[in-house]
Amino acid sequence: DSGVTQTPKHLITATGQRVTLRCSPRSGDLSVYWYQQSLDQGLQFLIQYYNGEERAKGNILERFSAQQFPDLHSELNLSSLELGDSALYFCASSAGGAGELFFGEGSRLTVL
Amino acid sequence: GQQVMQIPQYQHVQEGEDFTTYCNSSTTLSNIQWYKQRPGGHPVFLIQLVKSGEVKKQKRLTFQFGEAKKNSSLHITATQTTDVGTYFCRGQGNLIFGKGTKLSVKP
Repeated sequence: DSGVTQTPKHLITATGQRVTLRCSPRSGDLSVYWYQQSLDQGLQFLIQYYNGEERAKGNILERFSAQQFPDLHSELNLSSLELGDSALYFCASSAGGAGELFFGEGSRLTVL
Repeated sequence: GQQVMQIPQYQHVQEGEDFTTYCNSSTTLSNIQWYKQRPGGHPVFLIQLVKSGEVKKQKRLTFQFGEAKKNSSLHITATQTTDVGTYFCRGQGNLIFGKGTKLSVKP
C-alpha cells in the first residue's frame, strides 16, 4: 500500500461526457502528479501540483484540467471525452519536488 | 527538461537467463530512479542512485550509475517469473519517465 488513494478505480462513460478523477496523496506529501498510461504504453506526464499551486505542465490536453485543494487532495477533470482518452490515469505523490514517487493504483477510464 | 532513453523496449527471456535494461541521458543527471510496474499494477519505486559510478544490489538486481552520470543500468541475474513487468527509469527532478523496458519471462 503506497498510501496514495485514487477513486474511482474503474469508470466507463460515453464520448462527449465529463468525468472527475480524485487523488488523495500520502500523508504529508505536498506534491501531486498526474500521469496517463494508454494500453502497453509508457507514463505520459500530465501535470504537477505542489502545495496547491501548479508546478509543471506536460502534454495535457485543453479538455483536461486539474487542481489541488487546501487539504492537498487533487482532482483531474476530463471533459468532452473521446475514445482515445481511454487509459489508466495514475496519481503519484512525493514529499517535495525530488525524491521517490508513490503511485496510486490508478483509475481506469473506458470511453465508449 | 532532461530526457532519458531506455533500451530495449521489449525483452523476452527464458527463466534463468540474465536481463539488462539501459537508461541513457544526453545530459548529466543529479540522480536516477528505477521503478517496476507489474502487469495490471502501478509503478513501484525500486531504488535511487546518486553518486558517480555507484552500484547497488537488491538480491538478484544490480543497479549501476555511470561515471559520467549520464547512463544507468538495471541487471537481473537468473530471471524468475516474478520479475515480469515493465521497468522504468526517471532522472531526478525529471517529470518524464523513460518509455520503459517490458520484460517477459518464459518458464
